[in-house]
Amino acid sequence: QQNVQQSPESLIVPEGARTSLNCTFSDSASQYFWWYRQHSGKAPKALMSIFSNGEKEEGRFTIHLNKASLHFSLHIRDSQPSDSALYLCAVSDTGGADRLTFGKGTQLIIQP
Amino acid sequence: DMKVTQMPRYLIKRMGENVLLECGQDMSHETMYWYRQDPGLGLQLIYISYDVDSNSEGDIPKGYRVSRKKREHFSLILDSAKTNQTSVYFCASSSDWGGNYAEQFFGPGTRLTVL
Repeated sequence: QQNVQQSPESLIVPEGARTSLNCTFSDSASQYFWWYRQHSGKAPKALMSIFSNGEKEEGRFTIHLNKASLHFSLHIRDSQPSDSALYLCAVSDTGGADRLTFGKGTQLIIQP
Repeated sequence: DMKVTQMPRYLIKRMGENVLLECGQDMSHETMYWYRQDPGLGLQLIYISYDVDSNSEGDIPKGYRVSRKKREHFSLILDSAKTNQTSVYFCASSSDWGGNYAEQFFGPGTRLTVL
């Protein structure tokens, strides 16, 4: 069974700083990798995804994926107070994109 | 407007009572999910449904059952609720049409308290 671990559990960074969140997984055959963001009291919402080794950038957000290292990460530049949320990484199970295993989350607080 | 809805949003039940949580989506998505979220545990998959009457157990199905008789509607049933089923329950739906690789769209959640 897929084992997904996130680090750190929580993080406080000043506004404008660069933030890095990490996720490791156990199944090297996994194909689909997601970051979801959940603001307090709200539903999780997909933020970004990546399906092949390398890097993908969307605005202030960048995902890095290294399948050989069983690791992917989310980097946020110029962090804003509105980025304060619970960040959940998720990895697909072998055999399909639709079944995900989620990590326990990183609670990110951006201090103005 | 793409939307996943959940009813009720808040529910208080006594131990041993039956619970029905309902979820709807207006996107014609084939796949629907039920998760529970507890502090420090992330999202745990209870059941996944691939279409009408095509349901599979997730990681924590014990104590739960589901029903999907229409593509747009998915129910979670707790027969004889237990106090350890107090949690926030999220429904989600997804489709791999158009190459979005099964992005899951979540409902607003139901906060269930079992006393």
